[in-house]
Amino acid sequence: DIQMSQSPSSLSASVGDRVTITCQASQDIGDYLNWYQQKPGRAPNLLIYDASKLTTGVPSRFSGSGSGTEFSLTISSLQPEDIATYYCQQFDNVPFTFGPGTRVDFK
Amino acid sequence: QVQLQESGPGLVKPSGTLSLTCAVSGIRISSSEWWTWIRQSPGKGLEWIGEVYHTGTPLYNPSLKSRLSMSVDNSKNHFSLTMTSVTAADTAVYYCARDARVAAGGLDHWGQGILVTVSS
Repeated sequence: DIQMSQSPSSLSASVGDRVTITCQASQDIGDYLNWYQQKPGRAPNLLIYDASKLTTGVPSRFSGSGSGTEFSLTISSLQPEDIATYYCQQFDNVPFTFGPGTRVDFK
Repeated sequence: QVQLQESGPGLVKPSGTLSLTCAVSGIRISSSEWWTWIRQSPGKGLEWIGEVYHTGTPLYNPSLKSRLSMSVDNSKNHFSLTMTSVTAADTAVYYCARDARVAAGGLDHWGQGILVTVSS
Protein backbone atom coordinates (compact mmCIF):
# COMPACT_ATOMS: atom_id res chain seq x y z
CA ASP A 1 0.00 0.00 0.00
CA ILE A 2 1.08 3.57 -0.60
CA GLN A 3 1.50 5.32 2.75
CA MET A 4 0.46 8.95 3.01
CA SER A 5 1.80 11.25 5.70
CA GLN A 6 0.82 14.82 6.52
CA SER A 7 2.47 17.58 8.47
CA PRO A 8 1.78 19.16 10.76
CA SER A 9 -0.81 16.96 12.45
CA SER A 10 -2.41 20.11 13.83
CA LEU A 11 -1.85 23.83 13.67
CA SER A 12 -3.24 26.99 15.20
CA ALA A 13 -3.42 30.17 13.19
CA SER A 14 -5.11 33.55 13.12
CA VAL A 15 -7.67 34.96 10.71
CA GLY A 16 -5.82 36.23 7.65
CA ASP A 17 -2.78 33.98 8.12
CA ARG A 18 -1.28 32.02 5.26
CA VAL A 19 -1.48 28.32 6.09
CA THR A 20 0.37 25.49 4.36
CA ILE A 21 -0.16 21.77 4.90
CA THR A 22 2.15 19.22 3.36
CA CYS A 23 1.44 15.68 2.25
CA GLN A 24 4.05 13.07 1.40
CA ALA A 25 3.54 9.81 -0.46
CA SER A 26 5.71 6.75 0.14
CA GLN A 27 6.24 6.39 -3.61
CA ASP A 28 5.78 8.42 -6.77
CA ILE A 29 2.08 9.02 -7.44
CA GLY A 30 2.45 11.60 -10.20
CA ASP A 31 -0.34 14.12 -9.69
CA TYR A 32 -2.93 11.58 -8.55
CA LEU A 33 -3.64 13.46 -5.36
CA ASN A 34 -6.79 15.03 -3.93
CA TRP A 35 -7.40 17.29 -0.94
CA TYR A 36 -10.53 17.24 1.24
CA GLN A 37 -11.87 19.44 4.02
CA GLN A 38 -13.94 17.86 6.78
CA LYS A 39 -15.85 19.76 9.44
CA PRO A 40 -17.08 18.00 12.61
CA GLY A 41 -20.09 15.79 12.03
CA ARG A 42 -19.98 16.35 8.28
CA ALA A 43 -18.85 14.39 5.25
CA PRO A 44 -15.57 15.45 3.64
CA ASN A 45 -15.70 18.04 0.88
CA LEU A 46 -13.45 17.90 -2.19
CA LEU A 47 -11.25 21.01 -2.44
CA ILE A 48 -8.48 20.14 -4.89
CA TYR A 49 -8.16 17.31 -7.40
CA ASP A 50 -5.28 16.16 -9.56
CA ALA A 51 -2.93 17.89 -7.09
CA SER A 52 -3.61 21.46 -8.22
CA LYS A 53 -7.08 21.81 -9.77
CA LEU A 54 -9.62 23.76 -7.77
CA THR A 55 -13.07 22.19 -7.47
CA THR A 56 -15.86 24.41 -8.78
CA GLY A 57 -17.31 26.55 -6.01
CA VAL A 58 -14.28 26.30 -3.72
CA PRO A 59 -12.86 29.72 -2.77
CA SER A 60 -9.74 30.77 -4.63
CA ARG A 61 -7.81 31.20 -1.36
CA PHE A 62 -7.31 27.42 -1.51
CA SER A 63 -4.57 26.12 -3.79
CA GLY A 64 -2.67 22.90 -4.27
CA SER A 65 0.75 22.12 -5.68
CA GLY A 66 3.27 19.35 -6.03
CA SER A 67 3.85 16.12 -7.88
CA GLY A 68 5.63 12.84 -7.36
CA THR A 69 5.89 12.39 -3.61
CA GLU A 70 5.61 15.91 -2.18
CA PHE A 71 2.43 17.95 -2.18
CA SER A 72 1.04 20.96 -0.39
CA LEU A 73 -2.30 22.64 0.28
CA THR A 74 -2.21 26.38 0.93
CA ILE A 75 -4.88 28.65 2.34
CA SER A 76 -3.74 32.14 1.40
CA SER A 77 -5.80 33.97 4.02
CA LEU A 78 -7.40 31.85 6.72
CA GLN A 79 -11.10 32.51 7.30
CA PRO A 80 -13.26 31.42 10.27
CA GLU A 81 -15.12 28.92 8.10
CA ASP A 82 -11.83 27.17 7.25
CA ILE A 83 -11.57 25.62 10.71
CA ALA A 84 -11.62 21.93 9.87
CA THR A 85 -9.50 18.83 9.34
CA TYR A 86 -7.80 18.47 5.98
CA TYR A 87 -6.97 15.15 4.32
CA CYS A 88 -4.94 14.24 1.26
CA GLN A 89 -5.75 11.09 -0.75
CA GLN A 90 -3.81 9.31 -3.44
CA PHE A 91 -5.57 7.52 -6.25
CA ASP A 92 -2.58 6.15 -8.11
CA ASN A 93 -2.72 2.65 -6.64
CA VAL A 94 -5.37 0.55 -4.91
CA PRO A 95 -6.11 0.96 -2.03
CA PHE A 96 -6.66 4.68 -2.51
CA THR A 97 -5.20 5.71 0.83
CA PHE A 98 -5.76 8.88 2.81
CA GLY A 99 -3.33 10.83 4.91
CA PRO A 100 -3.96 10.97 8.68
CA GLY A 101 -5.31 14.50 8.54
CA THR A 102 -4.25 17.97 9.65
CA ARG A 103 -6.47 19.77 12.12
CA VAL A 104 -6.61 23.54 11.69
CA ASP A 105 -7.96 25.75 14.43
CA PHE A 106 -7.59 29.32 15.73
CA LYS A 107 -4.97 30.55 18.10
CA GLN B 1 -28.30 18.45 -7.97
CA VAL B 2 -26.51 15.19 -7.22
CA GLN B 3 -27.39 13.64 -3.86
CA LEU B 4 -26.38 10.40 -2.18
CA GLN B 5 -28.06 8.83 0.84
CA GLU B 6 -26.87 5.83 2.82
CA SER B 7 -29.32 3.46 4.47
CA GLY B 8 -29.12 0.27 6.48
CA PRO B 9 -29.03 -1.06 10.04
CA GLY B 10 -27.21 1.06 12.58
CA LEU B 11 -26.44 -1.94 14.77
CA VAL B 12 -24.88 -5.24 13.69
CA LYS B 13 -23.92 -8.14 15.93
CA PRO B 14 -20.33 -9.39 16.01
CA SER B 15 -19.67 -12.05 13.35
CA GLY B 16 -22.75 -10.81 11.51
CA THR B 17 -23.11 -9.13 8.13
CA LEU B 18 -23.19 -5.40 7.49
CA SER B 19 -25.36 -4.37 4.53
CA LEU B 20 -25.68 -0.80 3.31
CA THR B 21 -27.29 0.81 0.30
CA CYS B 22 -26.55 4.19 -1.24
CA ALA B 23 -29.43 5.80 -3.12
CA VAL B 24 -28.34 8.23 -5.82
CA SER B 25 -30.48 11.07 -7.17
CA GLY B 26 -29.81 13.82 -9.68
CA ILE B 27 -27.66 11.61 -11.89
CA ARG B 28 -27.88 8.13 -13.36
CA ILE B 29 -25.40 5.67 -11.85
CA SER B 30 -24.90 4.31 -15.37
CA SER B 31 -23.65 7.74 -16.55
CA SER B 32 -20.74 7.91 -14.12
CA GLU B 33 -17.82 5.60 -13.69
CA TRP B 34 -17.07 4.67 -10.09
CA TRP B 35 -19.10 4.60 -6.90
CA THR B 36 -17.22 4.45 -3.63
CA TRP B 37 -17.48 3.40 0.01
CA ILE B 38 -15.38 5.12 2.66
CA ARG B 39 -15.48 4.66 6.43
CA GLN B 40 -14.31 6.64 9.42
CA SER B 41 -13.90 5.05 12.83
CA PRO B 42 -14.92 7.30 15.75
CA GLY B 43 -12.36 10.06 16.15
CA LYS B 44 -10.15 8.57 13.44
CA GLY B 45 -9.20 9.21 9.85
CA LEU B 46 -10.68 8.07 6.56
CA GLU B 47 -10.37 4.55 5.14
CA TRP B 48 -11.12 3.67 1.51
CA ILE B 49 -13.17 0.46 1.51
CA GLY B 50 -13.60 0.09 -2.24
CA GLU B 51 -15.62 1.13 -5.23
CA VAL B 52 -17.78 -0.35 -7.91
CA TYR B 53 -17.96 0.54 -11.58
CA HIS B 54 -21.38 1.23 -13.06
CA THR B 55 -21.13 -2.12 -14.88
CA GLY B 56 -20.69 -3.90 -11.53
CA THR B 57 -16.92 -4.42 -11.64
CA PRO B 58 -15.50 -3.87 -8.13
CA LEU B 59 -12.23 -2.60 -6.74
CA TYR B 60 -11.68 -3.65 -3.14
CA ASN B 61 -9.26 -2.66 -0.43
CA PRO B 62 -7.03 -5.77 -0.22
CA SER B 63 -7.13 -5.67 3.60
CA LEU B 64 -10.93 -6.13 3.50
CA LYS B 65 -11.38 -7.96 0.22
CA SER B 66 -12.17 -11.38 1.66
CA ARG B 67 -15.17 -9.93 3.52
CA LEU B 68 -16.53 -7.52 0.90
CA SER B 69 -19.08 -7.53 -1.84
CA MET B 70 -20.23 -4.47 -3.80
CA SER B 71 -22.91 -4.21 -6.45
CA VAL B 72 -24.92 -1.71 -8.46
CA ASP B 73 -28.60 -1.72 -9.36
CA ASN B 74 -29.03 0.60 -12.33
CA SER B 75 -32.81 0.13 -12.35
CA LYS B 76 -33.09 1.45 -8.79
CA ASN B 77 -30.20 3.87 -9.21
CA HIS B 78 -28.42 2.65 -6.12
CA PHE B 79 -25.32 0.71 -5.15
CA SER B 80 -24.65 -1.53 -2.19
CA LEU B 81 -22.00 -2.75 0.23
CA THR B 82 -21.94 -6.05 2.07
CA MET B 83 -19.30 -6.86 4.67
CA THR B 84 -19.25 -10.21 6.43
CA SER B 85 -17.78 -11.42 9.73
CA VAL B 86 -17.83 -7.98 11.32
CA THR B 87 -16.09 -7.15 14.60
CA ALA B 88 -15.98 -4.12 16.86
CA ALA B 89 -13.16 -2.80 14.67
CA ASP B 90 -15.72 -2.30 11.89
CA THR B 91 -17.68 0.21 13.98
CA ALA B 92 -17.54 3.43 11.98
CA VAL B 93 -19.40 6.06 10.03
CA TYR B 94 -19.82 4.68 6.52
CA TYR B 95 -19.97 7.12 3.61
CA CYS B 96 -20.87 6.53 0.00
CA ALA B 97 -19.47 8.86 -2.64
CA ARG B 98 -19.06 9.34 -6.37
CA ASP B 99 -15.53 9.01 -7.69
CA ALA B 100 -15.08 11.29 -10.69
CA ARG B 101 -11.38 10.47 -11.12
CA VAL B 102 -11.73 9.18 -14.69
CA ALA B 103 -13.43 12.33 -15.92
CA ALA B 104 -11.08 14.44 -13.78
CA GLY B 105 -12.00 15.05 -10.19
CA GLY B 106 -11.98 13.19 -6.91
CA LEU B 107 -14.78 12.11 -4.59
CA ASP B 108 -16.97 15.04 -5.53
CA HIS B 109 -20.34 14.05 -4.08
CA TRP B 110 -20.84 12.36 -0.70
CA GLY B 111 -23.68 11.00 1.36
CA GLN B 112 -24.16 12.34 4.87
CA GLY B 113 -22.82 9.12 6.38
CA ILE B 114 -24.39 6.43 8.51
CA LEU B 115 -23.04 5.24 11.85
CA VAL B 116 -22.80 1.48 12.08
CA THR B 117 -22.05 0.01 15.50
CA VAL B 118 -20.93 -3.59 15.89
CA SER B 119 -22.07 -4.79 19.27
CA SER B 120 -24.01 -7.61 20.86
